[in-house]
Amino acid sequence: LAKTTQPISMDSYEGQEVNITCSHNNIATNDYITWYQQFPSQGPRFIIQGYKTKVTNEVASLFIPADRKSSTLSLPRVSLSDTAVYYCLVGDGAAGNKLTFGGGTRVLVKP
Amino acid sequence: DSGVTQTPKHLITATGQRVTLRCSPRSGDLSVYWYQQSLDQGLQFLIQYYNGEERAKGNILERFSAQQFPDLHSELNLSSLELGDSALYFCASSSGQGAPGNTIYFGEGSWLTVV
Repeated sequence: LAKTTQPISMDSYEGQEVNITCSHNNIATNDYITWYQQFPSQGPRFIIQGYKTKVTNEVASLFIPADRKSSTLSLPRVSLSDTAVYYCLVGDGAAGNKLTFGGGTRVLVKP
Repeated sequence: DSGVTQTPKHLITATGQRVTLRCSPRSGDLSVYWYQQSLDQGLQFLIQYYNGEERAKGNILERFSAQQFPDLHSELNLSSLELGDSALYFCASSSGQGAPGNTIYFGEGSWLTVV
């Protein structure tokens, strides 16, 4: 199972773009990269998922280089409500695979 | 609303006691995962079931056990409780068929306090 490494914390200001990079050097061919957001005392919430290149949805973009050994979650124009812990998860989600979360990145958005 | 339902939302019990946490997965999902999150800690994978069978095991204590029933709901049993078992317990579900699109969805958790 691919292990992930993320920065422990990041600070930003309202209106700025936040980029969080996750390293996953031993990602497998069938693995997808999924990012989750977690607020205190709440369950993690799906943000975005991708396999390669770039994926964009209404809340974020995910950039994955050709070697897929890392990925970057981009949050455009953050607001105070984006303060949360962000987790990068790598796996194919098939039954039998332990979906193990790393430590996550604690993002603090300041006014 | 993720579609994953967990009960109870909050539970306070004494050391040495036994509790059961219940999870109903999203409609159609066959995989259920259990995670433990202690205060300011990350998500610790405990165990996974797929269509009634145990498929993956994490750092789950011997005092803990789980099962998934024919209707696909799951229960996590915690026995001989210790103060250190106080945590938020999450259940998550997925189709279990593998990516793409196989995202796991989390419930809101069951907050267990052992006193």
